[in-house]
Amino acid sequence: DTGVSQDPRHKITKRGQNVTFRCDPISEHNRLYWYRQTLGQGPEFLTYFQNEAQLEKSRLLSDRFSAERPKGSFSTLEIQRTEQGDSAMYLCASSLPRGREQFFGPGTRLTVL
Amino acid sequence: AQSVSQHNHHVILSEAASLELGCNYSYGGTVNLFWYVQYPGQHLQLLLKYFSGDPLVKGIKGFEAEFIKSKFSFNLRKPSVQWSDTAEYFCAVNGLPKTSYDKVIFGPGTSLSVIP
Repeated sequence: DTGVSQDPRHKITKRGQNVTFRCDPISEHNRLYWYRQTLGQGPEFLTYFQNEAQLEKSRLLSDRFSAERPKGSFSTLEIQRTEQGDSAMYLCASSLPRGREQFFGPGTRLTVL
Repeated sequence: AQSVSQHNHHVILSEAASLELGCNYSYGGTVNLFWYVQYPGQHLQLLLKYFSGDPLVKGIKGFEAEFIKSKFSFNLRKPSVQWSDTAEYFCAVNGLPKTSYDKVIFGPGTSLSVIP
């Protein structure tokens, strides 16, 4: 299967711990996106990359959040000093250039205790 | 603020009933419009999209949507639903002002339950 993959699928952590999620996009896609989805809501845009360049960050992305895509392939999303409000599904998507369909991964469900 | 609204939070239908899910967006310019579906336990996938041209768009699994620019709407329809259509449906838009076309804004979603 050459779809978008995310790891881990589930993460349970204690408040104050750091967590890191990984996303592997579809190989020929140069754009990669991170979203957060809470129960009963649609995905909320967090940030996106064109190759290795991070082009836009949402105000939702506090300074505890950092995302990287060092070689323009996979990406990581790190949350430092997690809070209970960070509990959500973190979705990754990838696409070919500009406005075309985004393909979503299965998500990483984060639970902060 | 630019946004996407969906009229119904939860819809319950019997099999073979017709479906229409409402979607409105708050910007009158040129946008791209999407409907995504999330089946239980599965990831988001695209049902259909509108970029330009014929405002009546046909997607997978018998779904269609009509773009009505004057009403800022992009409603999703299906003439006869099946139990397997039970899922969460999200309307989405990109190309809103002061954002790039790469930034997709999603509506809150409509949960559809189809009773056999």
